[in-house]
Amino acid sequence: DAKTTQPTSMDCAEGRAANLPCNHSTISGNEYVYWYRQIHSQGPQYIIHGLKNNETNEMASLIITEDRKSSTLILPHATLRDTAVYYCIVRKNYGGSQGNLIFGKGTKLSVKP
Amino acid sequence: NAGVMQNPRHLVRRRGQEARLRCSPMKGHSHVYWYRQLPEEGLKFMVYLQKENIIDESGMPKERFSAEFPKEGPSILRIQQVVRGDSAAYFCASSPQETYEQYFGPGTRLTVT
Repeated sequence: DAKTTQPTSMDCAEGRAANLPCNHSTISGNEYVYWYRQIHSQGPQYIIHGLKNNETNEMASLIITEDRKSSTLILPHATLRDTAVYYCIVRKNYGGSQGNLIFGKGTKLSVKP
Repeated sequence: NAGVMQNPRHLVRRRGQEARLRCSPMKGHSHVYWYRQLPEEGLKFMVYLQKENIIDESGMPKERFSAEFPKEGPSILRIQQVVRGDSAAYFCASSPQETYEQYFGPGTRLTVT
């Protein structure tokens, strides 16, 4: 079972920031937080990941609380093309059987004009 | 750098036939993961392979399904004697090392009639 909890759906106005929350209260010290998205049945797309520090890349920012029990993915200026299902995943960063991704139901983000 | 390639993109098989799905990882990636997405459901891990080795097949059905990743050529997911319940989207992902983020292909949509 997925070890994260996300809202089922969210709406966001085009051009505004989209803030997607994720709870992972049972995360352990060696687990990273990963975000992926899936646009309309395409292959999932990697967005960002982090351990405990906030991270930013060209797609998004990831804010992780100090206790690491929750995080927020921020899309700074959402566009219609950001409409997708967003998955928050916790994953150990060593391999073998720990390396696969466990997808939950995610958050369906709808960006509206 | 080309992304992960999967072919065919769409595959129709009659019950009892065999399905072969191919995945070419990104250049320089030697780790391949297969996931399955049943209609209206989330992605589920099936198998993780490194060149010539199966590392984790805990998500693979025990019968009719097999996977390989030979030294040369693409990874192959093989489904023998397909049944209607095998109809799904099959996604392949690759990574350069087992602890790195995974990049997904566009998927193969299998329809069993």
